[in-house]
Amino acid sequence: GAGVSQSPSNKVTEKGKDVELRCDPISGHTALYWYRQSLGQGLEFLIYFQGNSAPDKSGLPSDRFSAERTGGSVSTLTIQRTQQEDSAVYLCASSLERGLVIGQFFGPGTRLTVL
Amino acid sequence: TQLLEQSPQFLSIQEGENLTVYCNSSSVFSSLQWYRQEPGEGPVLLVTVVTGGEVKKLKRLTFQFGDARKDSSLHITAAQPGDTGLYLCAGGGGKDSNYQLIWGAGTKLIIKP
Repeated sequence: GAGVSQSPSNKVTEKGKDVELRCDPISGHTALYWYRQSLGQGLEFLIYFQGNSAPDKSGLPSDRFSAERTGGSVSTLTIQRTQQEDSAVYLCASSLERGLVIGQFFGPGTRLTVL
Repeated sequence: TQLLEQSPQFLSIQEGENLTVYCNSSSVFSSLQWYRQEPGEGPVLLVTVVTGGEVKKLKRLTFQFGDARKDSSLHITAAQPGDTGLYLCAGGGGKDSNYQLIWGAGTKLIIKP
């Protein structure tokens, strides 16, 4: 498809387990963002990739969170030793540059539930 | 730190009524975007405004960027149930924000038939 895709759409895990969330951005988009959204709330910035530059990790809430972007395309967000407070929807977005004018294009999100 | 405050946080009105949602800051933004998010989906861009005082219309939706580029409003005329969703504003940040989008907390809008 032409849009941003994310997998899985839903993930239920037990406290203490590791999870990996995947994002396939729009082809040609150099910028990729990960956000976290609690139920009905706004977006919490997690991490930003731009081309071959070092990622902006300033939004990662703890060292249990990490992300990679391989080959400037697909990205994986990993959460180690999951906690119940990690339960949220994780959204990925891509854009040309930073999307300050043309906007960011979002995937449908991965709903993570930590039991 | 650049912040964007949205108001109201929640609004429930009858079909056919008019409403305005506000996005305010003490900081200047290079651009201001409005998104709508429906349950189970990611936000979708509605409009970007970049010039102080700019007004854009999208059918029954009117977007305005304040003259000083610190605030914005979204006005919906004759709201329809299809307008229901979470409305998010996002401002283009400056150097202190690493030129990132700064997001408001959202306005949850429910239009009752």
